[in-house]
Amino acid sequence: GPKVLQIPSHQIIDMGQMVTLNCDPVSNHLYFYWYKQILGQQMEFLVNFYNGKVMEKSKLFKDQFSVERPDGSYFTLKIQPTALEDSAVYFCASSSQGARAETLYFGSGTRLTVL
Amino acid sequence: AQSVTQPDARVTVSEGASLQLRCKYSYSGTPYLFWYVQYPRQGLQLLLKYYSGDPVVQGVNGFEAEFSKSNSSFHLRKASVHWSDSAVYFCVLSATNSAGNKLTFGIGTRVLVRP
Repeated sequence: GPKVLQIPSHQIIDMGQMVTLNCDPVSNHLYFYWYKQILGQQMEFLVNFYNGKVMEKSKLFKDQFSVERPDGSYFTLKIQPTALEDSAVYFCASSSQGARAETLYFGSGTRLTVL
Repeated sequence: AQSVTQPDARVTVSEGASLQLRCKYSYSGTPYLFWYVQYPRQGLQLLLKYYSGDPVVQGVNGFEAEFSKSNSSFHLRKASVHWSDSAVYFCVLSATNSAGNKLTFGIGTRVLVRP
């Protein structure tokens, strides 16, 4: 089936540095998402993105976070500067439509460790 | 606000036995409900979804789920499990969102199928 690729699978970074998480969504999908899962907790919505714009973001999407997808390349999540509480697994997803019944296709996650 | 509760963090079953995973949701509107599965080192994949019609929905690989409005539940079951069903199963709710899909996840149930 359709695949979403996330690069890298693991990232270790010192607190205060910048990190960029990359997502290669399903071809021809138009809606993109980031979710965050802290160890032992539920996966939580961070942000969705459509037509070059953030459509909605949660309270977890701090000012230090940004997303973009320049010219159909990777959909990226940038954190600058990183904090200890940013340690989590970040899942990217994409869908062809934004309707409630739409299936989201998820990547296998990027495990971010902030030291 | 909406929420999803999966009361069982881990379930162990023998191959060939039946499986039921419980899911309760809390949402004042019409729920759109999903079960996703995450196999080791893979992204989440859709098993099945429900938003209207017959409350028993069939999914892939012999899985089915039953929606109950009175019980606010959406339990997943399979009549006879295979070792390859070992994975983490997520119950997911899609609430009303005008800006693209935003999902609320349960914490997941890790299923181990013993040979």
